[in-house]
Parts: sequence; structure tokens; C-alpha cells
Amino acid sequence: GAGVSQSPSNKVTEKGKDVELRCDPISGHTALYWYRQRLGQGLEFLIYFQGNSAPDKSGLPSDRFSAERTGESVSTLTIQRTQQEDSAVYLCASTRGGGRRYNEQFFGPGTRLTVL
Amino acid sequence: DAKTTQPNSMESNEEEPVHLPCNHSTISGTDYIHWYRQLPSQGPEYVIHGLTSNVNNRMASLAIAEDRKSSTLILHRATLRDAAVYYCIDAGGTSYGKLTFGQGTILTVHP
Repeated sequence: GAGVSQSPSNKVTEKGKDVELRCDPISGHTALYWYRQRLGQGLEFLIYFQGNSAPDKSGLPSDRFSAERTGESVSTLTIQRTQQEDSAVYLCASTRGGGRRYNEQFFGPGTRLTVL
Repeated sequence: DAKTTQPNSMESNEEEPVHLPCNHSTISGTDYIHWYRQLPSQGPEYVIHGLTSNVNNRMASLAIAEDRKSSTLILHRATLRDAAVYYCIDAGGTSYGKLTFGQGTILTVHP
């Protein structure tokens, strides 16, 4: 079946511009996660959504970052007034059922963001 | 967040077994140990997870020490496609499976 998809695959923007990244989770997966991966680094957790519960935003690095999710479907990650340090690969993952410590996360291919 | 320690890199020859170690000395009794791998230019891929007992699946085996302070991911016969960064993760700290990725181990497989 279809996996997690993300768009765009690559995004180049100028410093100060806003960008919007999209994630389509696997159908039926209620939990959704956003991560950031800087070049040569491991993944950093950004935000977690579970159904209609309040999201865990504890990983968002600044108030320029925000994310939304419509029900149990698409999520968008928005970065306002982009800075060069925002350059990274942004990865989305989803899990079946609710997020649990033992659930397998299915990752999308990521969006490579480059801020000039 | 709970931390894990892995070697920066390891090498193996094709068709030989590979043992990837991980230390997680601060793990709590209810934290699962997850392993993911990331091939070049791809998102991470789940490999295996366990709590206390050793685990096997089609991809690998996970051997967990009796005190749970360390574990070893075992690839029984490495192939060139197994060349990747392998992440050992202590999935603790939250109830919902937040994963904290470290630097991982870069596995190189020689033909």
C-alpha cells in the first residue's frame, strides 16, 4: 500500500521567506510526527499529533515554526521568516493506532529545505 | 531525554554476520529499545524493537542484556543493501513513542 508521502521533495527559498511543507500519512494512522535532520546529524523531534488531542509541540525550536493537522489526515509544517540555520531535511512519520512506545514509525522520504 | 551510545562506524564483509552494539545505561524498566536504519537519501526505516527478551524478525535479531543496559543488533548475513546508518533508540520519556535519535553507527559493507 501507499506509504507516507511528503511534498515538495526539495525546496529552495530565500532567507526571510515563509515555507510550507506537507505530509500525507498512511491512511488509518492516527499518530503523526515531524522531525528535522541537519546535515550529518541524527533526527530531532519537532511535534507530535494524535487524533484530536492537543499536540506535543515541545520540540519546535522557535515561534517561527508551527504545524497543523486536519483530523487524522494531512499535516503541514510552516516555517516563517526562514533563516539559513533552518536548512535541513524535514521528515514526517506516522504510526497505526495511537502513538505508543512500542509502535513502529513509518517515515516519509523527507523534504530537503535549503535557505539561501 | 534518555541517551544511547553507539560506535561511530563499523565495517563488515558481505555475507558475514554483523553485531552492532548499543549502550543505554540509563534506560528505565518500561522503556522499549528500538532500532532504525537510514539508507542514503531516504527516511529512516524500522528494523526491530524489544523490551526484555531477545527478538527476531525477518530483518535482524536483537539481543538485550539481562540488566537491559546494553543491546546488540545482529544482521545474520550482511548484504551491500545493509550499508546504512543504524540508530539505537531508547523510546522513553513519553507515553507516545517520541524517538530521540543520536548519531548512529555508519555501517560499511565490503563486497
